[in-house]
Amino acid sequence: QQPVQSPQAVILREGEDAVINCSSSKALYSVHWYRQKHGEAPVFLMILLKGGEQKGHEKISASFNEKKQQSSLYLTASQLSYSGTYFCGTGWGNFNKFYFGSGTKLNVKP
Amino acid sequence: GAGVSQSPSNKVTEKGKDVELRCDPISGHTALYWYRQSLGQGLEFLIYFQGNSAPDKSGLPSDRFSAERTGGSVSTLTIQRTQQEDSAVYLCASSLVGAEAFFGQGTRLTVV
Repeated sequence: QQPVQSPQAVILREGEDAVINCSSSKALYSVHWYRQKHGEAPVFLMILLKGGEQKGHEKISASFNEKKQQSSLYLTASQLSYSGTYFCGTGWGNFNKFYFGSGTKLNVKP
Repeated sequence: GAGVSQSPSNKVTEKGKDVELRCDPISGHTALYWYRQSLGQGLEFLIYFQGNSAPDKSGLPSDRFSAERTGGSVSTLTIQRTQQEDSAVYLCASSLVGAEAFFGQGTRLTVV
């Protein structure tokens, strides 16, 4: 029931782009994206509620394909501050269960 | 307070002892989650509360783990007869149902 994230780790140079994928074996109601820096709590990035909807903030955006039960997070022109572990979270129904993926470690180097 | 508060921030306990971890969610948030994060690993779902009730306890690793929430607010996660494999960071999050989750800073539990 836990969503599957890929890749597990990414190393980028500043200014490069990255895509992180999240897929589920169950029909999704929503997808959340969070970022966790080392030693800190996860911080909310965005939530997608409708199939096919794409949301974004500055150079980080995400899409949600309800039919394919997939979401992707797009990081454009990465900055050093983007480094951290990215988690997708998926919920359905009455949110009795809300699972996070195993995370994708992103390391942006100068 | 403005955010989710967890206490203690660090706990070292001897194997076999019981521990209680506390979570004080954001006021008004009806949903409360407990997760466990082992070193360098992802987030493992433990339990979810909607108000005072826990519709799903299936994420609790064993019957040594229990959780309660009183008054629709503070929640306590109790681990009985702690084992070394219980060592991890225990994170609590709260939200309005379906909305973004706000995480506490976690309790780092070390069982020696």
